Amino acid sequence: GAGVSQSPSNKVTEKGKDVELRCDPISGHTALYWYRQSLGQGLEFLIYFQGNSAPDKSGLPSDRFSAERTGGSVSTLTIQRTQQEDSAVYLCASSLVQLGFTGELFFGEGSRLTVL
Amino acid sequence: QKEVEQDPGPLSVPEGAIVSLNCTYSNSAFQYFMWYRQYSRKGPELLMYTYSSGNKEDGRFTAQVDKSSKYISLFIRDSQPSDSATYLCAIRRSQGNLIFGKGTKLSVKP
Repeated sequence: GAGVSQSPSNKVTEKGKDVELRCDPISGHTALYWYRQSLGQGLEFLIYFQGNSAPDKSGLPSDRFSAERTGGSVSTLTIQRTQQEDSAVYLCASSLVQLGFTGELFFGEGSRLTVL
Repeated sequence: QKEVEQDPGPLSVPEGAIVSLNCTYSNSAFQYFMWYRQYSRKGPELLMYTYSSGNKEDGRFTAQVDKSSKYISLFIRDSQPSDSATYLCAIRRSQGNLIFGKGTKLSVKP
C-alpha cells in the first residue's frame, strides 16, 4: 500500500484478555517503530526494529508487552493480560533507514485500544 | 526532568494571528529537532526539521532552535483554520528513535 497500514483500527477488550495489533509498513522501509499515545501522556516510544531485530525495546512498559517483526516487513505488538491503563492509541511508523537525515517517520492512523 | 517538555495548551487564536509554539529539552547533545503536525484521529506528519541551532523557514512556518537555552520554537504566520491541529516537537536520540513532546493543541478560529 501507499502508506503505513494498521489493524484493527479499533479494539475493545475485557481486562485480562490478550490483544494483538498489526502494522504493515511502507514497502522497502527497513525501520519500524511503535509508539503509544494517551491523553495527558503524549507520544510514548515503545520499541523500534531495524530489519527483524529490535535494537531498542527500552520503552516497553512491562513484560506483558512484546513485539516481533518477520520478513523485515509486518510487525505485531502483543499485549498480554490487558489492564485498563493499557487503553491508548497505538501508533506504528516506518522510515526508509534508521532515521535518515530528515528524521521523517511515516505514521499509520493507529489502533485505538479500549480495555474495559 | 523529562527529556523534552511541551505545554499541552490548548491554544486558541483568531485567523491571521501569529502563533508561537515552544518546547524545552534537557540534553545538550541533541542535534536534530523536528515539528510534527497531527490532525484529529490521524497519525503525526513531519512538518519541519532543523539541525543544530538557527532558523529554518518554509512558507508561513518558521522553526527555531536555541541550543544555549535548550529551547525550540515553531512560529506560524497568518494562521488559518486549516492549521488547527496538535503540534508535537520531536528530538532525535543517539539511539536513533525520536522522543516527542506531549503536543500543543491549536485551534484557529475564523
